[in-house]
Amino acid sequence: TQLLEQSPQFLSIQEGENLTVYCNSSSVFSSLQWYRQEPGEGPVLLVTVVTGGEVKKLKRLTFQFGDARKDSSLHITAAQPGDTGLYLCAAPVNYGGSQGNLIFGKGTKLSVKP
Amino acid sequence: DTAVSQTPKYLVTQMGNDKSIKCEQNLGHDTMYWYKQDSKKFLKIMFSYNNKELIINETVPNRFSPKSPDKAHLNLHINSLELGDSAVYFCASSLQRGARTGELFFGEGSRLTVL
Repeated sequence: TQLLEQSPQFLSIQEGENLTVYCNSSSVFSSLQWYRQEPGEGPVLLVTVVTGGEVKKLKRLTFQFGDARKDSSLHITAAQPGDTGLYLCAAPVNYGGSQGNLIFGKGTKLSVKP
Repeated sequence: DTAVSQTPKYLVTQMGNDKSIKCEQNLGHDTMYWYKQDSKKFLKIMFSYNNKELIINETVPNRFSPKSPDKAHLNLHINSLELGDSAVYFCASSLQRGARTGELFFGEGSRLTVL
């Protein structure tokens, strides 16, 4: 069974702090996505990483795909209250009847206090 | 103009009832999905539907049945509702499915509460 494990589960920080959240697996993935979900809404894609070692930046957010394509990290610099939300990593599975569908980690719930 | 819309947004019903959730996407995507998000926010795929091909997740009880009248619509019908069915159900669509699955566009979710 392919699982995506995210850590930490919860993170509460002050505005201006830096943080890193992680997404780990024992499986190799062809690609990995990060989504952010705000209360009462569906997840929204932030980034897709495809190549081992790839680094992508989205303003204050930096995403990295591990060299072996088994893990990923999301680093936020100078967090803002608007960064508050549930951060989910997702990757396509390659087994059984669910082949090709995205599975999700359990998420990191981030709260940034002013 | 909402890309993926689902109705109703809230649904409260008694155990044993049958209910349906509707989903429509105006993105022209070929693939649509139903995901279930439990109280701990874990998103779990239930079904995907790609150009009339239904992929059933083996962990989903057969009380759940998706129906797709056309590629822009994927509805979810649930028979004999149980307490454990209480969750937020998300419809999503994507341009493609496979090892390089593209972006998933999610609806706002339908919160189902079974009493």
